[in-house]
Amino acid sequence: DVKVTQSSRYLVKRTGEKVFLECVQDMDHENMFWYRQDPGLGLRLIYFSYDVKMKEKGDIPEGYSVSREKKERFSLILESASTNQTSMYLCASSTHTGTDRNIQYFGAGTRLSVL
Amino acid sequence: AQTVTQSQPEMSVQEAETVTLSCTYDTSESDYYLFWYKQPPSRQMILVIRQEAYKQQNATENRFSVNFQKAAKSFSLKISDSQLGDAAMYFCAYRTDGDKIIFGKGTRLHILP
Repeated sequence: DVKVTQSSRYLVKRTGEKVFLECVQDMDHENMFWYRQDPGLGLRLIYFSYDVKMKEKGDIPEGYSVSREKKERFSLILESASTNQTSMYLCASSTHTGTDRNIQYFGAGTRLSVL
Repeated sequence: AQTVTQSQPEMSVQEAETVTLSCTYDTSESDYYLFWYKQPPSRQMILVIRQEAYKQQNATENRFSVNFQKAAKSFSLKISDSQLGDAAMYFCAYRTDGDKIIFGKGTRLHILP
């Protein structure tokens, strides 16, 4: 089974802190994604990556950056956390080959509270 | 730009009954993928069913089936013999270019015992 692991289920940070959210997948997937999920807004794409050291902006990249130094790991960085970044963050991975192509597999999510 | 619309924010169904969740989408592409994802309370989002647009036959996975109407750009999910474990948020989704997925805003499904 595909496993996508997010390092923390819950995080509480203070305004202005630098925050790292880590995501690791074990299926050698090429693609990795970061979303935020807010009530009534569904999932919105923050950043995605198709390969190591490669990144693309999604629909709401402002205030975020990402890092993908290894194929299995995709990190989301909040350079200076703000209260409006309080949200549930979901990581996902996918492959563009084989029978599982285009299916995104999700981690359990990180609920971040910025105080 | 592609969009995905789920017009029912919440629905309820009696256990063992059948329920249909609606989804419409907008695209100018002719070949694409559509998905239904399920997110149980405090649990991981998982794929329920996938439909490839070039396939005319509706996808089925056990008690879950879709009604895919390509011309109408409609993609509804039918859950038969509803069970308590089906209670979840359901997201309709469309695969766009570059393996990105656009999600609808979700339908919260309650199962009444």
